[in-house]
Amino acid sequence: GAVVSQHPSWVICKSGTSVKIECRSLDFQATTMFWYRQFPKQSLMLMATSNEGSKATYEQGVEKDKFLINHASLTLSTLTVTSAHPEDSSFYICSARVGRSSYNEQFFGPGTRLTVL
Amino acid sequence: KQEVTQIPAALSVPEGENLVLNCSFTDSAIYNLQWFRQDPGKGLTSLLLIQSSQREQTSGRLNASLDKSSGRSTLYIAASQPGDSATYLCAVCTNDYKLSFGAGTTVTVRA
Repeated sequence: GAVVSQHPSWVICKSGTSVKIECRSLDFQATTMFWYRQFPKQSLMLMATSNEGSKATYEQGVEKDKFLINHASLTLSTLTVTSAHPEDSSFYICSARVGRSSYNEQFFGPGTRLTVL
Repeated sequence: KQEVTQIPAALSVPEGENLVLNCSFTDSAIYNLQWFRQDPGKGLTSLLLIQSSQREQTSGRLNASLDKSSGRSTLYIAASQPGDSATYLCAVCTNDYKLSFGAGTTVTVRA
């Protein structure tokens, strides 16, 4: 149980295009999903927190107009990188949390490798 | 702001040796602490989760301790194997349910 999937697993796009990444909780309902990015040899940095049916909360320094997050249902959150540029190339990972207790873990997806040419 | 530090950044040991990975955090007001494994180019695999009220958790060859008051956690891996080679990340969960990650310790177990 507690499986989180991401699609696509990798994507290559041209500069200026938009890319959508999906994060799905396959066997549970996630009240909260989180989006992280990871640069090579660095740790995960939280970008935003996504709650079903409400607007995402972005971390300081993350452009909300560039990284659009939609949490349309309890099993799906999407991250759209708008007008992508080479500096947006990174590994994007989502996680999902069940319930609101601190006793619930976050379950992580396998990540999406984005390369912007 | 929570700062998480992992030492050492890299570790190379011969097969069979025990591994000791350290994690420290600046704000002791945490809900829990998780240890993850990450293989190159892959996502995260959760290894152990320690609640703030607990002092340790064990799973097979893995044991993690937590000293919340001093802001430290240690992950022990007994009798290391080449398959244990990976990057190990620790993350602390704060009162807004967000995770703050350390930079990781990259482990190489030599056959």
